[in-house]
Amino acid sequence: GQSLEQPSEVTAVEGAIVQINCTYQTSGFYGLSWYQQHDGGAPTFLSYNALDGLEETGRFSSFLSRSDSYGYLLLQELQMKDSASYFCAVRGGGATNKLIFGTGTLLAVQP
Amino acid sequence: GAGVSQSPSNKVTEKGKDVELRCDPISGHTALYWYRQSLGQGLEFLIYFQGNSAPDKSGLPSDRFSAERTGGSVSTLTIQRTQQEDSAVYLCASSLSAGVGDEQFFGPGTRLTVL
Repeated sequence: GQSLEQPSEVTAVEGAIVQINCTYQTSGFYGLSWYQQHDGGAPTFLSYNALDGLEETGRFSSFLSRSDSYGYLLLQELQMKDSASYFCAVRGGGATNKLIFGTGTLLAVQP
Repeated sequence: GAGVSQSPSNKVTEKGKDVELRCDPISGHTALYWYRQSLGQGLEFLIYFQGNSAPDKSGLPSDRFSAERTGGSVSTLTIQRTQQEDSAVYLCASSLSAGVGDEQFFGPGTRLTVL
């Protein structure tokens, strides 16, 4: 089977840096993705790591260690608009590439 | 261009009724996915289409759930004899293909409430 674990909630202040961790157990591994979802909105893609290391996209970075079955999303210079749920997801690979999602981390950014 | 669209945005139905949920993927996207999100939970995979074929239906929770895709475009998810536990947001996503590097773009979802 496949499972992903994330903290359920994280709170931080504007301008700070926050790290959201994700550990996974999968029968096969084809990469780790991160999605952002505002309340009532559609999930939107943030990043994808297929190989070990850090991927940087603006204020957001994502890290993967395949040997540790671990990744994280790093958000810098937090803004109020970053308050949302963040999901890590493992790609199912094979013929489908379906996403297997974690239960999500609710990030609350305070002034 | 337009993103993924879904209709209706909200659906309230009575237990035992059938419902149909529609998804219009991004034009040219050959892969289409249906997911379900219960309150406060992550997304749960339901079914995957490549073109009009569904090679992976492993996430459909029961035989009351079915889906089809026509013309390699629009998809319909049908739930027969709805139950209260079917209440959730049903999300559709599409991607250019089913390659591992292909990003999935999600629609806004249909919020289904079964009374």
